[in-house]
Amino acid sequence: QKEVEQDPGPLSVPEGAIVSLNCTYSNSAFQYFMWYRQYSRKGPELLMYTYSSGNKEDGRFTAQVDKSSKYISLFIRDSQPSDSATYLCAMSLTYAGNNRKLIWGLGTSLAVNP
Amino acid sequence: DAGVIQSPRHEVTEMGQEVTLRCKPISGHDYLFWYRQTMMRGLELLIYFNNNVPIDDSGMPEDRFSAKMPNASFSTLKIQPSEPRDSAVYFCASSPQLASEQFFGPGTRLTVL
Repeated sequence: QKEVEQDPGPLSVPEGAIVSLNCTYSNSAFQYFMWYRQYSRKGPELLMYTYSSGNKEDGRFTAQVDKSSKYISLFIRDSQPSDSATYLCAMSLTYAGNNRKLIWGLGTSLAVNP
Repeated sequence: DAGVIQSPRHEVTEMGQEVTLRCKPISGHDYLFWYRQTMMRGLELLIYFNNNVPIDDSGMPEDRFSAKMPNASFSTLKIQPSEPRDSAVYFCASSPQLASEQFFGPGTRLTVL
């Protein structure tokens, strides 16, 4: 079993839809959770990060962490064609020091159709 | 700042040849990471450096792969000899000390024939 599981999709939605992207993980010691967005033929870029459990909102994006279920989600409201990309979850044990190595999901490919 | 710079952007080579990928991290970042991305395996960490010192190379697939960071502004990833299964996109990323965000370069798309 991989440490981080993420459905690769592809996921196709109409413009304006609410999108839900998810990852599950097996290591209960993970504390830092990140979502990266990767456009085609580009490197990933950090979209959101959260510490421990709870929600974090940034514009149309909301990140949720449920540590009891070992489950994290990224919600995109009012999705736009410009949101079409691959979304990767990543997590780490600590924020700094030599345990800061990120463990990555495979990424979910999202297409938002006009 | 120009961001993380990688070269070349594309590399096509024949099996058995030596391949050298180059990376210039963002100035002031103390951590440098080398990743490999494929459809089947996703993003895999190969090795990372802290202040030019290799910290964890457990992701390097085999002895054919080696990485160096001779100074704070330059790193190389070398594959010798290359094999078709090494075909992938190789990313370099850097991050500031005590920060979690990693800044990725545009990647090098390697094809080994």
